[in-house]
Amino acid sequence: DSGVTQTPKHLITATGQRVTLRCSPRSGDLSVYWYQQSLDQGLQFLIQYYNGEERAKGNILERFSAQQFPDLHSELNLSSLELGDSALYFCASSVGGSTYNEQFFGPGTRLTVL
Amino acid sequence: QQQVKQSPQSLIVQKGGISIINCAYENTAFDYFPWYQQFPGKGPALLIAIRPDVSEKKEGRFTISFNKSAKQFSLHIMDSQPGDSATYFCAALPGGSEKLVFGKGTKLTVNP
Repeated sequence: DSGVTQTPKHLITATGQRVTLRCSPRSGDLSVYWYQQSLDQGLQFLIQYYNGEERAKGNILERFSAQQFPDLHSELNLSSLELGDSALYFCASSVGGSTYNEQFFGPGTRLTVL
Repeated sequence: QQQVKQSPQSLIVQKGGISIINCAYENTAFDYFPWYQQFPGKGPALLIAIRPDVSEKKEGRFTISFNKSAKQFSLHIMDSQPGDSATYFCAALPGGSEKLVFGKGTKLTVNP
């Protein structure tokens, strides 16, 4: 168990809908990273927050947004969902703001868009 | 180009054998190369990582070999065990960036 929690574990929704994925980092970790894992694209970095501020942005669609709250938990919001958004979404956390710090991954949220 | 190319896609090894997974990159700005292990239903977990100033790093049965001139790095698993059966991802990080770039993964099966 990495100490990172993600909810929900599974999410099934329809095209055009909006969902929110939640992540609680390990105690003491200030950074949260979001990744998307799909069969065709593999693991892709989406976005990083450090102590409430956006630190780095990857291949995140404009329909997606994220934030990190004062208690350091993070939410990833996915809107106007398309079939191609079906994937595993992982959150990871690390103690510092640098990617050189070891990242601890949560168990993921499996999103299915029908 | 930010790609990291990983091979093979899948690998079957007998217990006690050596598993070798290879990765290649083009971007010379990469300066950190971690390997992740992922079991079914779990998130990836950092296995071992290397910087380009060393050519090899060993941790237990896991060794990373790094060839800077060829822009290649590989993971060797010695005395492979059935418990090593998992998907392995190589990754690379450009210096000054926070954006890890992952290979497509290698599904390793170690037969008893």
